[in-house]
Amino acid sequence: SAVISQKPSRDICQRGTSLTIQCQVDSQVTMMFWYRQQPGQSLTLIATANQGSEATYESGFVIDKFPISRPNLTFSTLTVSNLSPEDSSIYLCSVDPYPTIEQYFGPGTRLTVT
Amino acid sequence: AQSVTQPDIHITVSEGASLELRCNYSYGATPYLFWYVQSPGQGLQLLLKYFSGDTLVQGIKGFEAEFKRSQSSFNLRKPSVHWSDAAEYFCAVVYGGSQGNLIFGKGTKLSVKP
Repeated sequence: SAVISQKPSRDICQRGTSLTIQCQVDSQVTMMFWYRQQPGQSLTLIATANQGSEATYESGFVIDKFPISRPNLTFSTLTVSNLSPEDSSIYLCSVDPYPTIEQYFGPGTRLTVT
Repeated sequence: AQSVTQPDIHITVSEGASLELRCNYSYGATPYLFWYVQSPGQGLQLLLKYFSGDTLVQGIKGFEAEFKRSQSSFNLRKPSVHWSDAAEYFCAVVYGGSQGNLIFGKGTKLSVKP
């Protein structure tokens, strides 16, 4: 498995601002993923972030709103831009460390937009 | 579209009773199936997975799941529930050839009565 940490664990942000979430892994991994979990809902994949290439976004998610960086094999950031109350969610990063298809998740970042 | 269905939104069982959480996935070639648990305020923890072979798989914390291809099901079971098992449980599937595209069900919230 892999040990994954996220910062911040939670934040309260004003409408119109941005929040950058950091994801750190204790080992080098090729594939990292970012998910959103809206209140009372399941997880939805935002994008796949592979080191050395542009992130691949799922339908309904765009780079201008959710820019992602992947500077090396142990770190990634997700920025949620131009925040609105609808962005209030838990954001989780995950990794596929081997890769073997199974994913391991970080503890999540709980974002509240006021 | 490929999907995962967890028909039970909320289940309450008594401590010491047996548990079965249902999961059905839409038909697709080579499904890889997972159960995750999310405790309040925590990230997702992988309980068990099925890739191939023996259709009854054992996981952590005394959980097991049985893959039934004919019923497109992957139900999670535990013979005796503990109060600490109260959490949200998510079934997920990845189809062969689409690594990273982990599709989640909506989750089942488990409450445990003393």
